[in-house]
Amino acid sequence: AQSVTQLDSQVPVFEEAPVELRCNYSSSVSVYLFWYVQYPNQGLQLLLKYLSGSTLVKGINGFEAEFNKSQTSFHLRKPSVHISDTAEYFCAVFRSYNTDKLIFGTGTRLQVFP
Amino acid sequence: DTAVSQTPKYLVTQMGNDKSIKCEQNLGHDTMYWYKQDSKKFLKIMFSYNNKELIINETVPNRFSPKSPDKAHLNLHINSLELGDSAVYFCASSHQDRGPYNEQFFGPGTRLTVL
Repeated sequence: AQSVTQLDSQVPVFEEAPVELRCNYSSSVSVYLFWYVQYPNQGLQLLLKYLSGSTLVKGINGFEAEFNKSQTSFHLRKPSVHISDTAEYFCAVFRSYNTDKLIFGTGTRLQVFP
Repeated sequence: DTAVSQTPKYLVTQMGNDKSIKCEQNLGHDTMYWYKQDSKKFLKIMFSYNNKELIINETVPNRFSPKSPDKAHLNLHINSLELGDSAVYFCASSHQDRGPYNEQFFGPGTRLTVL
């Protein structure tokens, strides 16, 4: 079965510092991975996705993620965060077995302090 | 020019009542979804419709009944509401025919509170 684990429920960081949000997946088949962001009181918005090809994926708002097959990870990074990056971040894996659906991790709350 | 819209945004009701949440998308997508996000922010799919046909029905009580009158609409009706139904419900849509792993676009959510 495919699943994702987000190792950190909360990540506090100061403005302009770098950040890494961790995501590990388990899958025995081809992997399609996503990062979504949820700003306060809003729906989810796609940050980036990995389907195939280059393992370094660039997304919106200066975020990027690296697909690492040997470590089964898809960590999200940003070299310098802003206050406006404060949000909930969800890693997700697309499951194509029996029925197609996204399986979400439990989320990581990124809190950026001035 | 809202892409995925939901009504109402907030819904407060008593236990035992029946309520509906509506969702509309103007993106021309062929697949729509309902997700439930609990108080711990855990997000789980409930239903998925492709071209008005139900394709995913997770382990959801049969008090929840989705209805898709056309490809652009997916409504959620909930009978005999219980305290545990309190959550944020998100509608989403995507282009399944361009690959099932295409981006899903989410609505703003409906916060349901059952008293």
